[in-house]
Amino acid sequence: SQELEQSPQSLIVQEGKNLTINCTSSKTLYGLYWYKQKYGEGLIFLMMLQKGGEEKSHEKITAKLDEKKQQSSLHITASQPSHAGIYLCGASSGGSNYKLTFGKGTLLTVNP
Amino acid sequence: DVKVTQSSRYLVKRTGEKVFLECVQDMDHENMFWYRQDPGLGLRLIYFSYDVKMKEKGDIPEGYSVSREKKERFSLILESASTNQTSMYLCASSFLRGRSGDTQYFGPGTRLTVL
Repeated sequence: SQELEQSPQSLIVQEGKNLTINCTSSKTLYGLYWYKQKYGEGLIFLMMLQKGGEEKSHEKITAKLDEKKQQSSLHITASQPSHAGIYLCGASSGGSNYKLTFGKGTLLTVNP
Repeated sequence: DVKVTQSSRYLVKRTGEKVFLECVQDMDHENMFWYRQDPGLGLRLIYFSYDVKMKEKGDIPEGYSVSREKKERFSLILESASTNQTSMYLCASSFLRGRSGDTQYFGPGTRLTVL
């Protein structure tokens, strides 16, 4: 079965700093999904990547899927306290069951 | 905007009680999912459904059952709640694969405590 490993597990940055979160898969990624979760709440969908080399941006968050489609990175530029939360990556196996496998998440703290 | 709602944000039940968690989506999604989320274990799939009255077991179905009588509604049932079912429960829904791939949209979660 597919496994996703996220690094780092947690991250504390000063407001205004850039940061990167990585998601590495044990198998080829057919679709990679980034979510954000505030403590005690549901997951908010951020971006989906499907093609090797694909890059997407939303406001100050950029996600990339590497050419070999086994790793994705999430980069936040000029972090703000509003970026704080748990970031999770999810992956589809490309099969017909529509299930996603999720990483365990990266806890981001942004200090003002 | 996709909207997935869950019947309760917080729930406290006693051991042995029958517990119903309800999830409703308003986007005509075919697929619906129930997860539980625990510290250190991440999100784990309990059950999912790809059509009305259809269901499949996820990774941890023991102690749970589900019901999907209408396309928009997916219920999770704890037949006899136990303390090890204290957790955050998250419902999600998605289209059959299309332009959005397998993107799942999540509800706000239900924090269940079993005493």
